[in-house]
Amino acid sequence: GQNIDQPTEMTATEGAIVQINCTYQTSGFNGLFWYQQHAGEAPTFLSYNVLDGLEEKGRFSSFLSRSKGYSYLLLKELQMKDSASYLCAVTDSNYQLIWGAGTKLIIKP
Amino acid sequence: DAMVIQNPRYQVTQFGKPVTLSCSQTLNHNVMYWYQQKSSQAPKLLFHYYDKDFNNEADTPDNFQSRRPNTSFCFLDIRSPGLGDAAMYLCATSGLAGGAYNEQFFGPGTRLTVL
Repeated sequence: GQNIDQPTEMTATEGAIVQINCTYQTSGFNGLFWYQQHAGEAPTFLSYNVLDGLEEKGRFSSFLSRSKGYSYLLLKELQMKDSASYLCAVTDSNYQLIWGAGTKLIIKP
Repeated sequence: DAMVIQNPRYQVTQFGKPVTLSCSQTLNHNVMYWYQQKSSQAPKLLFHYYDKDFNNEADTPDNFQSRRPNTSFCFLDIRSPGLGDAAMYLCATSGLAGGAYNEQFFGPGTRLTVL
């Protein structure tokens, strides 16, 4: 079966750095997405990785290792508004998007 | 601004009373998706359309139907809502199907409550 694993919940302090991990086992791989979802709202796109390595976009970076079936989202200089769920999603060999359940990130002052 | 619009944002219905949720898009994307998302769970794909080509997920209950009369609009019909159907319903679009980069653009969602 296809599976995406993320921690259910993480807590971090305002101004700090946090890394949210995602491991996947899918039938094929055609890219990995990270989405941010605030409570009661729709997911919004954060990043896309298809090649190994680090993609940086402002305070957010995303890393991919295809051989390990592993990705992480790195959030720097945390702000209170970063409190949200972060969903990892993988495009499989049929170009279907397989979603993780999300990691709820709680930011404390 | 190009966007995905869902109406209503909040819908309350009674057990067994049919309900229709709507989605429209100004992105001119040829793929549209309907997801169901319950609290702290991954979005669950119900259907998707590539143009008018309808694709039903194997585990989508028959209680859920969909229509796409044109490129811009898509509807989700729940014929006899049960308490277990209370969820957020998300509509999304993407510009390509069968392509590796298929970023999906989401509408704000409709939160359905079943009494």
